[in-house]
Amino acid sequence: SQQGEEDPQALSIQEGENATMNCSYKTSINNLQWYRQNSGRGLVHLILIRSNEREKHSGRLRVTLDTSKKSSSLLITASRAADTASYFCATRRNTGTASKLTFGTGTRLQVTL
Amino acid sequence: DTGVSQDPRHKITKRGQNVTFRCDPISEHNRLYWYRQTLGQGPEFLTYFQNEAQLEKSRLLSDRFSAERPKGSFSTLEIQRTEQGDSAMYLCASSPRQGGETQYFGPGTRLLVL
Repeated sequence: SQQGEEDPQALSIQEGENATMNCSYKTSINNLQWYRQNSGRGLVHLILIRSNEREKHSGRLRVTLDTSKKSSSLLITASRAADTASYFCATRRNTGTASKLTFGTGTRLQVTL
Repeated sequence: DTGVSQDPRHKITKRGQNVTFRCDPISEHNRLYWYRQTLGQGPEFLTYFQNEAQLEKSRLLSDRFSAERPKGSFSTLEIQRTEQGDSAMYLCASSPRQGGETQYFGPGTRLLVL
């Protein structure tokens, strides 16, 4: 079953604007990751944040994690048309099969010129 | 690294037929995962190998599904007696022993069962 839920389900912005996506999850986690998927293709890893971290940056990406609220956000600054894709959060749990990732339902981002 | 490859990229089959998909992970990645993704949803975990050992199977993996990784390198996923509900994208991913939290995904095999 899907553990994470992304919000919004779809987002349309203009090039140059910032895009913010949110993810909520249900169980305790070891880390949370964000992946990007272009239409009909495989997923590309973007960034990983551990449960003891609160914020992480990578280029134009900024991820926050609030374990008390079981939520994370992904901010893409100065968006480009090439950022058009679906974005998924994925959690790795603390117990059980540590390597298994549980994905959310995704946010479809459309960046227009 | 040449990346994770999957074959075929697309498969159309008739209900009741058997299909087999292949995944070649990044060389020296000892962990291999299979996921299934239906339209508009995120990937769902199916099974996980560490080397040749299959360490976990999801309840989604009914007895019609079988996965193998005989030599700890490539893996196959077979679906027997396919049903229309099996139509989905089947994704393979691999990760290394060191720093294995990031998973590297292949392009997927899109299955359509008619």
